[in-house]
Amino acid sequence: EVQLVQSGAEVKKPGESLKISCKGSGYSFTSYWIGWVRQMPGKGLEWMGIIFPGDSDIRYSPSFQGQVTISADKSISTAYLQWSSLKASDTAMYYCARLVGAGFDYWGQGTLVTVSS
Amino acid sequence: QSALTQPASVSGSPGQAITISCTGTSSDVGGYNYVSWYQQHPGKAPKLMIYDVSKRPSGVSNRFSGSKSGNTASLTISGLQAEDEADYYCSSYTSSSTYVFGNGTKVTVL
Repeated sequence: EVQLVQSGAEVKKPGESLKISCKGSGYSFTSYWIGWVRQMPGKGLEWMGIIFPGDSDIRYSPSFQGQVTISADKSISTAYLQWSSLKASDTAMYYCARLVGAGFDYWGQGTLVTVSS
Repeated sequence: QSALTQPASVSGSPGQAITISCTGTSSDVGGYNYVSWYQQHPGKAPKLMIYDVSKRPSGVSNRFSGSKSGNTASLTISGLQAEDEADYYCSSYTSSSTYVFGNGTKVTVL
């Protein structure tokens, strides 16, 4: 069974760093792109970027380029989304998802990130 | 990279058919047959309903169908049911080798 399991909710202060994770199982982790999607409270889905764990090829949405870092450790089948200095506006639910063809077919349960002083 | 344009809301009675549009440009929707559609119920992760414009993943009801004409893609839900009440998002591959979502449509079953 394909599963993407994300790390738990985080509460951080502005300026702090953060790295959240997404662990894949039940399929060949290095053979599929993994993407990250942001959903701010009460808002729509925003495509952030994708990574191919097999060779660490990464593509960022222009809106998120330079704002976050996407990475993966294929030895433990885990993808990451990282911030070096959080802002209040980073408060959102973050989903990881597996890309098959041009669609995200399996999704993680989401990680809620709250940034507040 | 602007979000694809969807109507904010669409409604219909049980048993009716509704269509949600998704308008982009020749650099995304119009340029590739890589449009997908997602259903999201409150508090839940999105679910893939249609990919590659008109293909249905295993397990998705055949009441859901997709199409595309020019720069506009469409999702049609036939035989509308109460469980179809949710938010729906389209997504397209772009000429920048990235993807973009639509702004979302709230479907209400009257």
